[in-house]
Amino acid sequence: DTAVSQTPKYLVTQMGNDKSIKCEQNLGHDTMYWYKQDSKKFLKIMFSYNNKELIINETVPNRFSPKSPDKAHLNLHINSLELGDSAVYFCASSQTSGRQNTGELFFGEGSRLTVL
Amino acid sequence: DAKTTQPTSMDCAEGRAANLPCNHSTISGNEYVYWYRQIHSQGPQYIIHGLKNNETNEMASLIITEDRKSSTLILPHATLRDTAVYYCIVHSGYSTLTFGKGTMLLVSP
Repeated sequence: DTAVSQTPKYLVTQMGNDKSIKCEQNLGHDTMYWYKQDSKKFLKIMFSYNNKELIINETVPNRFSPKSPDKAHLNLHINSLELGDSAVYFCASSQTSGRQNTGELFFGEGSRLTVL
Repeated sequence: DAKTTQPTSMDCAEGRAANLPCNHSTISGNEYVYWYRQIHSQGPQYIIHGLKNNETNEMASLIITEDRKSSTLILPHATLRDTAVYYCIVHSGYSTLTFGKGTMLLVSP
């Protein structure tokens, strides 16, 4: 069984469209993340959710809206897609201990978004 | 979290040990050293972490200097499948994991 699964794996769409990427983890973790990896391969944190609550929202345009229906799922919805949104988006999960996040993250395989 | 410095790229012959260095001279007492790798077209994969003692698991060994200002990840018998970008990250647990540029390790036959 895949620990962290993302769908779709590939997504090609036109500028201005709205799209969603889904993420599910079956590890029983209480924290989930979205990372973005651009064409230069830099991996940057976008959001962090703990038990369905937003913990971290880095400098991300408000066109990006994460939604966590339960602690096993963290979906990413993107409105009005722009060319610069083209990237690989990685979902990850980890377990917290008290107030601390373990640094052991489990990543999904990534969702490659191409905006034309 | 403290900053790390790694070489941009390294080469290793298949079957030999790959020793990947990392400098983290501003590391604080409560910060751990984590190593991840990212094989092409895959998500990052956790390898190992340590605080001050050397650590070993089925994937690699982590050697941390006594002053904790640097560390070395050792892949004892590198294979072609170990070709990847290796990230050294210093992490305290009070923030999210921040990835740098990493070291591109190329294992050749």
